[in-house]
Amino acid sequence: GDSVTQMEGPVTLSEEAFLTINCTYTATGYPSLFWYVQYPGEGLQLLLKATKADDKGSNKGFEATYRKETTSFHLEKGSVQVSDSAVYFCALRRRNSGYALNFGKGTSLLVTP
Amino acid sequence: GAVVSQHPSWVICKSGTSVKIECRSLDFQATTMFWYRQFPKQSLMLMATSNEGSKATYEQGVEKDKFLINHASLTLSTLTVTSAHPEDSSFYICSANQGDEQYFGPGTRLTVT
Repeated sequence: GDSVTQMEGPVTLSEEAFLTINCTYTATGYPSLFWYVQYPGEGLQLLLKATKADDKGSNKGFEATYRKETTSFHLEKGSVQVSDSAVYFCALRRRNSGYALNFGKGTSLLVTP
Repeated sequence: GAVVSQHPSWVICKSGTSVKIECRSLDFQATTMFWYRQFPKQSLMLMATSNEGSKATYEQGVEKDKFLINHASLTLSTLTVTSAHPEDSSFYICSANQGDEQYFGPGTRLTVT
C-alpha cells in the first residue's frame, strides 16, 4: 500500500544552519504530498504541499519539491531558527480516500542558539 | 485558519472501563472527520473515517466494536474506547476537512491503568 518513509531524528542544528529532512514515498499513481509541523503542545499544522510532479511547495522559508523520478519530497530550509524546533511529518494523500493521509514517523528538530 | 478542538486533552482510566473523546470543528462544518492513533516515536495511523449522519469507515485491523465512532452533527465527532485495556494507551488525534485542507486537533493522551 501507499507509504511514506522519512529520516529518523532527532536532528539537532545550530541556528542559521541548513536543514534537510528526507522523505520518500511509495504509492500507486501520483499522490498529493504534504509536510506538517507539530510544535510542542499543539496540533499538526500544514507547512506546505505539492499536488503534482515538479511542484515546489514553500512556506516560512521551507521548501520541498515533488520529485517523481526519485519518489521524494525532501524538506529544506536555508537558515533555521530556534523557533523552528518542532516535529515534522511528511505525508501523502491516498488516492480515492477522501482526504485521509498516510504519515511518516516524524522527525524531531531541535535548533540551538 | 480553521480550528479543531479535542476534549479531554488527557485522560486516565481503569482497565475495563470506557472513555469518550470529543472532536469539534469550532468555526466550520465538517461532514467528514478522521481519527488517528499515534504511538511513541511512531507515525500517525488512520483508524477510521467519521461521516456525519452515517456509519464510520474503519481501517483494516481496527475493531469497530471497540472503537465506537459517532458523528452526530456537522461539528462534533466522538470516539469511545470501550472496555479499555493498557494496550489501548496511546495518543488519539482527530482531523476535519475544510475545503482542500485538513485541520488537526491537539490530540488526547489516553492512559489505561
